[in-house]
Amino acid sequence: EPEVTQTPSHQVTQMGQEVILRCVPISNHLYFYWYRQILGQKVEFLVSFYNNEISEKSEIFDDQFSVERPDGSNFTLKIRSTKLEDSAMYFCASSHLRSRDRVNMNTEAFFGQGTRLTVV
Amino acid sequence: LAKTTQPISMDSYEGQEVNITCSHNNIATNDYITWYQQFPSQGPRFIIQGYKTKVTNEVASLFIPADRKSSTLSLPRVSLSDTAVYYCLVGDPYGGYQKVTFGIGTKLQVIP
Repeated sequence: EPEVTQTPSHQVTQMGQEVILRCVPISNHLYFYWYRQILGQKVEFLVSFYNNEISEKSEIFDDQFSVERPDGSNFTLKIRSTKLEDSAMYFCASSHLRSRDRVNMNTEAFFGQGTRLTVV
Repeated sequence: LAKTTQPISMDSYEGQEVNITCSHNNIATNDYITWYQQFPSQGPRFIIQGYKTKVTNEVASLFIPADRKSSTLSLPRVSLSDTAVYYCLVGDPYGGYQKVTFGIGTKLQVIP
């Protein structure tokens, strides 16, 4: 079964440092997402990406965050200057192109295993 | 996006059928109902999606009454490995439902 892969599985960084979290979405998917989950809390939407641009973002996704698809396979989340409160699991996800013409197509998001980011 | 309400936790013995109900009173015409499962320290995993009546796959069944204001995820004969958090999402899959925050979900504990 195809899967979304994320690296690293765990990242420890000092406050104020930049981090880049990497994801390889499923190859024929066209929508990509980042979510985060602070320990014991909800899975929160950060951003969605389609056709090489951000399609939607939440209020969490401020100027400290950016996403990029630098090549045909990777999808990255950059946090410019990490804060203690950025410590969380970060999940990447991808899904098929959503089209009303293809009503029987599954449109669910496939999630990676996550990157646990610890800011110290 | 429709607000959902589901029980915070449930316990069940192994081998029993588990039904988790989700309320979504303000579901819109284009909204679908989707359930995800999450194990500790893992990403959510899609279980099932439906629009109306009943949907069944190899993992679960989803029952949606005619008014669509609620839905019930049914897990047949649960095992210990079904212990997880189950999330109900409601939204238009063609309009960005993936952007929602998942909510607290229902923590299912399967007891031997």
